[in-house]
Amino acid sequence: SQTIHQWPATLVQPVGSPLSLECTVEGTSNPNLYWYRQAAGRGLQLLFYSVGIGQISSEVPQNLSASRPQDRQFILSSKKLLLSDSGFYLCAWKHSSYEQYFGPGTRLTVT
Amino acid sequence: KQEVTQIPAALSVPEGENLVLNCSFTDSAIYNLQWFRQDPGKGLTSLLLIQSSQREQTSGRLNASLDKSSGRSTLYIAASQPGDSATYLCAVPSGGGADGLTFGKGTHLIIQP
Repeated sequence: SQTIHQWPATLVQPVGSPLSLECTVEGTSNPNLYWYRQAAGRGLQLLFYSVGIGQISSEVPQNLSASRPQDRQFILSSKKLLLSDSGFYLCAWKHSSYEQYFGPGTRLTVT
Repeated sequence: KQEVTQIPAALSVPEGENLVLNCSFTDSAIYNLQWFRQDPGKGLTSLLLIQSSQREQTSGRLNASLDKSSGRSTLYIAASQPGDSATYLCAVPSGGGADGLTFGKGTHLIIQP
C-alpha cells in the first residue's frame, strides 16, 4: 500500500531564516506530487506541483520554491522566511486515478 | 478561475441525526469532485471521489452527489456519531496543470453525544 511521509511535523523559525520541508511517498512510482498551504482563516491553496523528477510548476508567486530530486521525494524550500509563510503545509500525491492522497502535514510558525 | 463555496461554515447537531453538507463551484467543466475529512491538526483523509459521469457515490454512512449543470455537490451523513466531528472539505480540479485542486473553506461539524 502507498504511504506518504512529511517532516518535520512542527517547526518554529525566525523571520529571515531558511526553510526545508520534505515529503516522501512509498509504494508507488512516478506519482504527481503537490504542495498545498493552509493558512489561518483561509482555504487550502495549491503552491506547487510536479509530474516528474526535476519538473516543477508554481501556481502562485511567492517566497517559496520546490524541488523534486528523486521520483518519490518532494521538497519545499525558502531562502528567507516571512511572517506570512506561517501555516500548515500539506504534501499530496496522485497516480493514475484522479484521487489525491495527503500527508500528515507540517505546522510552520514564523516568529 | 474556479471558486468553491461550502455551506454552512459550521454545524452542531445531536448524535443520530442525518445531515447534509453543501458544496458549490463556479466552473461546471469539472471531471471529478472529491470530499475530504480533516481532524484538528491533521492531514486530509479522502472520503469520496465522484467522477463527472457519476451522479453519486456511497461509502458506508456517507453519500455524495454531484450535479455538474448546477455546480453543486452534497455530502449526506446518515445516523451521525460523535466520531464524525471534523472539518469536511470539498475540492475540484482547478483547471490548471496536473489536476491540482481548488478547495472550499470547509464545514466544521460537531456531533454532540
